[in-house]
Amino acid sequence: AQTVTQSQPEMSVQEAETVTLSCTYDTSESDYYLFWYKQPPSRQMILVIRQEAYKQQNATENRFSVNFQKAAKSFSLKISDSQLGDAAMYFCAYRSGYGGATNKLIFGTGTLLAVQP
Amino acid sequence: DSGVTQTPKHLITATGQRVTLRCSPRSGDLSVYWYQQSLDQGLQFLIQYYNGEERAKGNILERFSAQQFPDLHSELNLSSLELGDSALYFCASSTGAGNTEAFFGQGTRLTVV
Repeated sequence: AQTVTQSQPEMSVQEAETVTLSCTYDTSESDYYLFWYKQPPSRQMILVIRQEAYKQQNATENRFSVNFQKAAKSFSLKISDSQLGDAAMYFCAYRSGYGGATNKLIFGTGTLLAVQP
Repeated sequence: DSGVTQTPKHLITATGQRVTLRCSPRSGDLSVYWYQQSLDQGLQFLIQYYNGEERAKGNILERFSAQQFPDLHSELNLSSLELGDSALYFCASSTGAGNTEAFFGQGTRLTVV
């Protein structure tokens, strides 16, 4: 069974600084997707970024980028120029890429990010 | 706005009762997923429906059931409620194709007293 581990329950960053959130996963599959979701106090689950396992290039979305190390099964999220609105719980998630499989997401336990003004 | 609508937003009920949570997926999405978010269990997949048929089951209790109707909306039924069922219940939808995203509703906060 696949598992996702987030070892940092809480992180803090100064506004305008850079922070990296860690995530490791375990799978025997070769085809899968990895995601970072943001959950602000409004509770809404918002997709931040996704990475296909077959792509070597790290995904980037504006100030958000990932460091995907497939061999190490590591998938960290870097937030540059942190803003007060980035304060939220961040979840790392895994999804199998095999055709016919459920597209269910397997989530880590989350990292609560605080942004200090 | 993700396009996924969940009702109600909040629900307070007593132990032993039964409740129904409703989800309307995004227009065009055939797949609906239900997740439970609780303090002790984290975010857990409960069940998935695709075009009216159950596709996958996760850690869903026997007291819980779900269905997806011909208009593709879905309902999650929780019965014989216990204090430990208090949680945030999310619905998500996707087209169902392999590499498409799942979009989440705002969740239903269930409190069992």
